[in-house]
Amino acid sequence: GAGVSQSPSNKVTEKGKDVELRCDPISGHTALYWYRQSLGQGLEFLIYFQGNSAPDKSGLPSDRFSAERTGGSVSTLTIQRTQQEDSAVYLCASSLAWGESQSYEQYFGPGTRLTVT
Amino acid sequence: GQQVMQIPQYQHVQEGEDFTTYCNSSTTLSNIQWYKQRPGGHPVFLIQLVKSGEVKKQKRLTFQFGEAKKNSSLHITATQTTDVGTYFCAGESGTYKYIFGTGTRLKVLA
Repeated sequence: GAGVSQSPSNKVTEKGKDVELRCDPISGHTALYWYRQSLGQGLEFLIYFQGNSAPDKSGLPSDRFSAERTGGSVSTLTIQRTQQEDSAVYLCASSLAWGESQSYEQYFGPGTRLTVT
Repeated sequence: GQQVMQIPQYQHVQEGEDFTTYCNSSTTLSNIQWYKQRPGGHPVFLIQLVKSGEVKKQKRLTFQFGEAKKNSSLHITATQTTDVGTYFCAGESGTYKYIFGTGTRLKVLA
């Protein structure tokens, strides 16, 4: 079956512009995560969605970052007024909901590589 | 906030040697997951540990969860070139979000 997909795969933008990154989770996965990975670094948690519950936004680094999840499926991560330090790979992952499985394996998408010039 | 540290940051081994990476959390974990990320790829799930003192094996890989549920380890026996990549642990402490460790980058020399 189809895995997690993300678009675009690469995005180059000028400092100060807004960008939107899209994530299509695996069908039936109600949990969705966004992470940021800088070159050679670990994964930094950004935001977590679970069904219709209020998202956990505790990892968003500033108010320039926001995310939505429409209809419990597709998610969009928006970065306003991009800065050079926003350059990174943005990874999306989905999993079954808590209580639906004994293992909450996260399936990652291929990521969007964002470069802010 | 919760922090998860991994050591070592890098490890170079000769093919056939063993490899171990250690993961330590600042808080008690509900469960811990391990992922492998190949160069240029995305993280791929390896295993989840839930119980205190749990040990799980996958062929040449052995995973342990500490008694206090604050640390974990991944041991690879007789490494192969296919084991190259970065190994991450990810801990969850009841908030449904996973904090990833800093990762251990493994290079295997043929």
